[in-house]
Amino acid sequence: DAGVIQSPRHEVTEMGQEVTLRCKPISGHNSLFWYRQTMMRGLELLIYFNNNVPIDDSGMPEDRFSAKMPNASFSTLKIQPSEPRDSAVYFCASTTMVYTEAFFGQGTRLTVV
Amino acid sequence: GIQVEQSPPDLILQEGANSTLRCNFSDSVNNLQWFHQNPWGQLINLFYIPSGTKQNGRLSATTVATERYSLLYISSSQTTDSGVYFCAVPNSGGGADGLTFGKGTHLIIQP
Repeated sequence: DAGVIQSPRHEVTEMGQEVTLRCKPISGHNSLFWYRQTMMRGLELLIYFNNNVPIDDSGMPEDRFSAKMPNASFSTLKIQPSEPRDSAVYFCASTTMVYTEAFFGQGTRLTVV
Repeated sequence: GIQVEQSPPDLILQEGANSTLRCNFSDSVNNLQWFHQNPWGQLINLFYIPSGTKQNGRLSATTVATERYSLLYISSSQTTDSGVYFCAVPNSGGGADGLTFGKGTHLIIQP
């Protein structure tokens, strides 16, 4: 398996623009997680899905953030409008619901200028 | 929520040295993961270790769930071991609802 695949690897955008991050989980995994890593707050969970259904989005910092999982092999995290404080590395991870070892994608480094 | 503390926060060693990294957690857990974040930012799985001891080459880990801690041992360090080591435990429910991470141990191995 190719592992969790995220795109793009790097994104630089201007404040106010819409940003969409993409994730393909490991085939057969039915739980998907979005995390954000910053120097100040470390790694924090934003939202997670079980069987494509959003379960807990309490970690999403603001209404400007939204996430979808239209099918078992694809998820998006959207920020609209983006702000400089959104600059961070965003990771996607997946697991099964039974054997819960989490595997992470390579991350998307977002810079909002 | 559950709290995770890692120590030491920073560690600088010479190549060939051994090290022990510690992870304490505030509540009972039924699994625990150790990750290595390399200088390119990738999070690499090291161990999935709810309890007991596991070994993988020069690395080994021990989790004592009843005492709420885990240890990561690195022997004969190499420069490629440099990076940040994180432990993470389930928020609840065994991991199906995400992980809480410690702040990490930043390890630098000097040649």
